[in-house]
Amino acid sequence: DTAVSQTPKYLVTQMGNDKSIKCEQNLGHDTMYWYKQDSKKFLKIMFSYNNKELIINETVPNRFSPKSPDKAHLNLHINSLELGDSAVYFCASSQAGTSAETQYFGPGTRLLVL
Amino acid sequence: SQQGEEDPQALSIQEGENATMNCSYKTSINNLQWYRQNSGRGLVHLILIRSNEREKHSGRLRVTLDTSKKSSSLLITASRAADTASYFCATVPSGSARQLTFGSGTQLTVLP
Repeated sequence: DTAVSQTPKYLVTQMGNDKSIKCEQNLGHDTMYWYKQDSKKFLKIMFSYNNKELIINETVPNRFSPKSPDKAHLNLHINSLELGDSAVYFCASSQAGTSAETQYFGPGTRLLVL
Repeated sequence: SQQGEEDPQALSIQEGENATMNCSYKTSINNLQWYRQNSGRGLVHLILIRSNEREKHSGRLRVTLDTSKKSSSLLITASRAADTASYFCATVPSGSARQLTFGSGTQLTVLP
C-alpha cells in the first residue's frame, strides 16, 4: 500500500511549457505539502495546505500553484517552466492535532526542463 | 535560507562502527525531527524529539537535543551497509505547527 504517491515519477519538458504533478495520500491526513529538492539536496518547503488555509513560501514564484480537488489530493501546477525549475519535487502529508507533526513523503517527481 | 546546518556533509565508516551526525539550527523550536533519504527515494521519518526532551532512543538510533546550543545529534550504533543514505534534521519552529525546515543533510556511507 502506497501511503503518499506522486505521478509522474519523471518529467522531461521544454522551457516555456506548462505541466502538472499529481499527489495523492491514502492516510486520511488533512494537511499536504510540496517541497523542492535541488541538486545539492537542499529541501525547501513550497506550500502547505489544508482545507482551511494555504501557506505559501514567499520565495516561490507565482508560476507555481497548488490545486486541491479534495482532501486526499494536492496537485502542483507549473506555468512557463524555466531551466531553474529542474529539481526533485516531493509531496508530503501530515495530520493536524498530533503533536508529532511527522510528515510522510512521496517518492518524488524528477523534473528536468530543457 | 536553511534553518539547519548539518555536520559533517559526508561521512564514511566501516560496518559495525557508530556514526554521529550533528545539526544546528537558528530559532527556537517546538520539536526536531530526523529523516532518512535513500538514493532516488523520498524521505522517511526516523525519530522526533521535543524541545523539552534531552535524549531519545529508538532501536539503534539515539538523538540528543541541546536547546541552549540550538543543536542536535543523531547517533547510529553498530552501522550496517543498509544504513547508507542521506540523513536530514528538520525543525518545527515555535508557534509554527507544521512548517518543517530542513537542514542541509549528511551523506552517510557504510562500507561492508
